[in-house]
Amino acid sequence: EADIYQTPRYLVIGTGKKITLECSQTMGHDKMYWYQQDPGMELHLIHYSYGVNSTEKGDLSSESTVSRIRTEHFPLTLESARPSHTSQYLCASSGLGGASEQYFGPGTRLTVT
Amino acid sequence: AQRVTQPEKLLSVFKGAPVELKCNYSYSGSPELFWYVQYSRQRLQLLLRHISRESIKGFTADLNKGETSFHLKKPFAQEEDSAMYYCALRGGGYNKLIFGAGTRLAVHP
Repeated sequence: EADIYQTPRYLVIGTGKKITLECSQTMGHDKMYWYQQDPGMELHLIHYSYGVNSTEKGDLSSESTVSRIRTEHFPLTLESARPSHTSQYLCASSGLGGASEQYFGPGTRLTVT
Repeated sequence: AQRVTQPEKLLSVFKGAPVELKCNYSYSGSPELFWYVQYSRQRLQLLLRHISRESIKGFTADLNKGETSFHLKKPFAQEEDSAMYYCALRGGGYNKLIFGAGTRLAVHP
């Protein structure tokens, strides 16, 4: 079934740890996105990708990095987690067309202690 | 600057009452506006987009370029409409979405 998967759904981790948030999609989409959302606030685009080997930074500056080695997979990495990284991270994907709808994953809620 | 403003954090109504969730935007070009909805324990999903000019689950939204608004309306609210609603603007060449902070709609029996 076509879907977008994010793992883990919840993560509590100590300061300084390296973490990778996984995002995979079986939608057959070329474009993928990462959004960050603090409680009660807007979603902000932090990374996006047009396709394999294409990654760009979004509007909100983020210390995270992303890679796109496979079309289906768009992981987000934090080399050294800090409490300021505590947030919800949402992955999305869309087709190539300019008017394509974005489909969202279930999100990962990250808490850095 | 591109911006989406949803002035109400919470909108609380009784079942059967009319609902209007407000959304104002600022954008220099010709915008595309969307409403996304997130029901409890579900993921964010598209509710409707202005270019479709359709009614979904009884909701409609009209783009008013003069007032730079895209308010979401429903004449008779149902309890199952209770959810978080986000207004979003598409601007730029890479399908970027700019979201408002969201309005929580609570429909009471």
